[in-house]
Amino acid sequence: ELKVEQNPLFLSMQEGKNYTIYCNYSTTSDRLYWYRQDPGKSLESLFVLLSNGAVKQEGRLMASLDTKARLSTLHITAAVHDLSATYFCAVKIGETSGSRLTFGEGTQLTVNP
Amino acid sequence: DAGITQSPRHKVTETGTPVTLRCHQTENHRYMYWYRQDPGHGLRLIHYSYGVKDTDKGEVSDGYSVSRSKTEDFLLTLESATSSQTSVYFCAIRFGQGWNSPLHFGNGTRLTVT
Repeated sequence: ELKVEQNPLFLSMQEGKNYTIYCNYSTTSDRLYWYRQDPGKSLESLFVLLSNGAVKQEGRLMASLDTKARLSTLHITAAVHDLSATYFCAVKIGETSGSRLTFGEGTQLTVNP
Repeated sequence: DAGITQSPRHKVTETGTPVTLRCHQTENHRYMYWYRQDPGHGLRLIHYSYGVKDTDKGEVSDGYSVSRSKTEDFLLTLESATSSQTSVYFCAIRFGQGWNSPLHFGNGTRLTVT
């Protein structure tokens, strides 16, 4: 059974600071996804990581994937209040018609002025 | 907008009553998924479908059934609702055959079982 673990689960940081969220998973996978969720809203896709060594950047967020270590990171640079949200990683398991995503618990990020 | 509509958006029901949630899509995608979201658990897969009348169980399928009689609709039924099924339910769709794109999520249904 695939386990996807995020840490930290809660993160309070000051504006302007940098921090990293970690996503570890327990079995081989070749796809990893990061999503953002604002309170009471749906999930919004941030990044799709398709291979070992993949790195994607959008604004103050950068995601990377190490499939050998079964680890993805979401790095926040110079945080701003608008980044406050819950961030989920999700890992693809299974093949063909049976493939699906397994999600981590989520990291609730609060950026304080 | 991925053309996904969930209904109802909110529902309060009593323990023991049947409840059906609907996920409707407008773009004829083959793969559809039902997740539930609870604090401390992230999103957990209930059931999924890979075509009309083709469905399978996810990790938390007990107490739930699904049906997909046409491409555009994926129905989730709680045969006899329990308080443990109070949750936010999300439908998601996969575009295409592969996984080079993310799942796209509907706006969710907030279900309260009293």
